[in-house]
Amino acid sequence: IAGITQAPTSQILAAGRRMTLRCTQDMRHNAMYWYRQDLGLGLRLIHYSNTAGTTGKGEVPDGYSVSRANTDDFPLTLASAVPSQTSVYFCASSDSKGKAFFGQGTRLTVV
Amino acid sequence: QKEVEQNSGPLSVPEGAIASLNCTYSDRVSQSFFWYRQYSGKSPELIMSIYSNGDKEDGRFTAQLNKASQYVSLLIRDSQPSDSATYLCAVGRDTGRRALTFGSGTRLQVQP
Repeated sequence: IAGITQAPTSQILAAGRRMTLRCTQDMRHNAMYWYRQDLGLGLRLIHYSNTAGTTGKGEVPDGYSVSRANTDDFPLTLASAVPSQTSVYFCASSDSKGKAFFGQGTRLTVV
Repeated sequence: QKEVEQNSGPLSVPEGAIASLNCTYSDRVSQSFFWYRQYSGKSPELIMSIYSNGDKEDGRFTAQLNKASQYVSLLIRDSQPSDSATYLCAVGRDTGRRALTFGSGTRLQVQP
């Protein structure tokens, strides 16, 4: 089934640990994104990539990094997790008309 | 001022009624507009896109766009209990950072 796959679906992480959230798409979309969703705050953009080899900072990039080595993969890394990074993380990609399609999300709890 | 504003709701309508969801945006260079539906614990699902002024209909859904007023709305006709969800308005641009900017969402409750 075509779409976006995220892993893991949920994770409990000790503060200070490093973690990478994985995202893979098979729709050959150039643009990919990472959002976090917190109650009352909606979806906020963390990082984006308009095409393979390029990345940019979104609204809330601090504490996160991304890479885009190829079209399909867009991992998000938390270098040293803090409790404020507890959230639901969504990876998305968009087509040439700007329509964004989302993965199933990763629920992350930092304790 | 938020870039994309929505009333958080809940908006409660009886089954069979028309639900009207509204959204305003601040970035005048926005070129694309979307409505997503999100059920609790699930990811956002695209239900409507609109790119030019006027109305666009798809089944029970109608999206309306007024760029001069920086306003976009979603009408759901013959509302069903299965329409109960949070509806997210999103706007995008064609240049620079193309990522969509989302409103916080309006929670819709359709009463049987």
